[in-house]
Amino acid sequence: RKEVEQDPGPFNVPEGATVAFNCTYSNSASQSFFWYRQDCRKEPKLLMSVYSSGNEDGRFTAQLNRASQYISLLIRDSKLSDSATYLCVGAGNEKLTFGTGTRLTIIP
Amino acid sequence: ETGVTQSPTHLIKTRGQQVTLRCSSQSGHNTVSWYQQALGQGPQFIFQYYREEENGRGNFPPRFSGLQFPNYSSELNVNALELDDSALYLCASSWGSSGRGTGELFFGEGSRLTVL
Repeated sequence: RKEVEQDPGPFNVPEGATVAFNCTYSNSASQSFFWYRQDCRKEPKLLMSVYSSGNEDGRFTAQLNRASQYISLLIRDSKLSDSATYLCVGAGNEKLTFGTGTRLTIIP
Repeated sequence: ETGVTQSPTHLIKTRGQQVTLRCSSQSGHNTVSWYQQALGQGPQFIFQYYREEENGRGNFPPRFSGLQFPNYSSELNVNALELDDSALYLCASSWGSSGRGTGELFFGEGSRLTVL
């Protein structure tokens, strides 16, 4: 079983819709969690951190449930520029562990 | 732009050859990590260098080796290339491992290696 698992998609969502991604993790060595965004043929970039208390940044909300080992990302009022691959990431033991990524396409 | 530069951007090698990839870290960062990203997959941790010493290694064979120089730049060397080594190799710099808990690594645009 992979340490970080997420649905690879693709998710094709109309502009303005709300979309939710989920991720599960199995490695207890991961102490903190993040969402990264990767545009096509570009490098990954940190989108936001994930906390048990929730983390909101504009249209983006991330949540961590340590009991269920579950991480989520919610995007409200989606924009065309949100089209990208979203990577669920655990951090621990000097490294980041990435999920496969979920590909999102926002349709006009 | 992150300030992390990698070279070459693209290269083609044949099976059995050796390759060296280079990375210049962002100014002020002392830690460099290397990741391998196969097509359709997330990046996989190869190893990390801190103060010129290997500071953590993923599940990669010894033919993957690296160096970090006093100016914190780094090299990734792969010997005896195999077809499955074809991937995007990403270098990431940070201040401390995992960005000292921030989780923010600054990635370069990568070196795309094709092994024929």
